[in-house]
Amino acid sequence: TQLLEQSPQFLSIQEGENLTVYCNSSSVFSSLQWYRQEPGEGPVLLVTVVTGGEVKKLKRLTFQFGDARKDSSLHITAAQPGDTGLYLCAGHAGGTSYGKLTFGQGTILTVHP
Amino acid sequence: NAGVTQTPKFRILKIGQSMTLQCAQDMNHNYMYWYRQDPGMGLKLIYYSVGAGITDKGEVPNGYNVSRSTTEDFPLRLELAAPSQTSVYFCASSYPQRGTNEQFFGPGTRLTVL
Repeated sequence: TQLLEQSPQFLSIQEGENLTVYCNSSSVFSSLQWYRQEPGEGPVLLVTVVTGGEVKKLKRLTFQFGDARKDSSLHITAAQPGDTGLYLCAGHAGGTSYGKLTFGQGTILTVHP
Repeated sequence: NAGVTQTPKFRILKIGQSMTLQCAQDMNHNYMYWYRQDPGMGLKLIYYSVGAGITDKGEVPNGYNVSRSTTEDFPLRLELAAPSQTSVYFCASSYPQRGTNEQFFGPGTRLTVL
């Protein structure tokens, strides 16, 4: 069974601060995704990283996939209250996994004005 | 497109009652999934389907059943509700591409079993 350990579980910061969320596994994934979920809604995809060592930027968000494709990080620069939400990483094993994803436990981010 | 829709939004059941959570997608996606989300536990896969007539168990299938008679619909059945099934249930769909699998989620059904 593949597991994804996400940390920290909770993050409470002030507007303007930087933060990093980590997603680690002992298993190799063919791709890794980051989702954001707001209260009362389903998760929405932010980004997919596919290649080991890949870095993707989405405005103030930077996503990195580890060289060995076992870990990933999400870095937010100058956090804003609108960034508040639950962030989930999800790994895709590829091959005959029928698109199934393994999700981390999630990081609840609160950005205070 | 409406995307993925789920009904009902909220439901309270008594122990032993049965119900069906409805899920539909209008994106012509082959793959569909049912997850449950408990606080601090992320999303756990209950059942999935790779096409009409084909379903398989996920990580936590006990107490649930599914069917997939059409590409669009993927209902989840709870036969004998138990307090342990109190959770938020999400349906998702995807059209897998090589190396990735973006999943599109519905808004969820919040179920309480008393």
